[in-house]
Amino acid sequence: AQTVTQSQPEMSVQEAETVTLSCTYDTSENNYYLFWYKQPPSRQMILVIRQEAYKQQNATENRFSVNFQKAAKSFSLKISDSQLGDTAMYFCAFMKHGGGSEKLVFGKGMKLTVNP
Amino acid sequence: DTAVSQTPKYLVTQMGNDKSIKCEQNLGHDTMYWYKQDSKKFLKIMFSYNNKELIINETVPNRFSPKSPDKAHLNLHINSLELGDSAVYFCASNLHDNEQFFGPGTRLTVL
Repeated sequence: AQTVTQSQPEMSVQEAETVTLSCTYDTSENNYYLFWYKQPPSRQMILVIRQEAYKQQNATENRFSVNFQKAAKSFSLKISDSQLGDTAMYFCAFMKHGGGSEKLVFGKGMKLTVNP
Repeated sequence: DTAVSQTPKYLVTQMGNDKSIKCEQNLGHDTMYWYKQDSKKFLKIMFSYNNKELIINETVPNRFSPKSPDKAHLNLHINSLELGDSAVYFCASNLHDNEQFFGPGTRLTVL
């Protein structure tokens, strides 16, 4: 079974700073996907970024980038130039490849607060 | 142009009642899911359906019964509600191995 670990329950940063959220996972699968989802106070789950395990290049989406270390089973999220709107819960998630009906396995989440 | 919608958004009910939550997606996806988010914000899969067929049933009490009348809808019926069922329930959908799109969630409170 796959497990996802987010060891930092909470972090706070100042606006415009850079912050890194850590995530490690455990799996015996070779083909899989990793995701970071954001959940602001509105409760909506929003996809931040996605990484396919077969790709060596780290995914980037504007201010968001990941450091994917497959051998170490590590998938950290870097947020550059933090904005107040980045305040949210952040969830790291794993999804096995194949079948089309694979579940997301989530970490426990991390609460990020961006202060003005 | 809502992608994944759920009704109701809030549901407050007494212990022992039976209730349903409805989910619809207009994205043309073939797989739909129910996730439960508990009071500590932990999200866990409950069910998944692919083209109306049950694929995942993740050790959920049989008081919970999903129903998929067509591939755009996945409803969740809960019998004999208990205090521990209080949570936020999320519907999601995806196409093949792509990312899952989530509905707005239904906050269920059992009194």
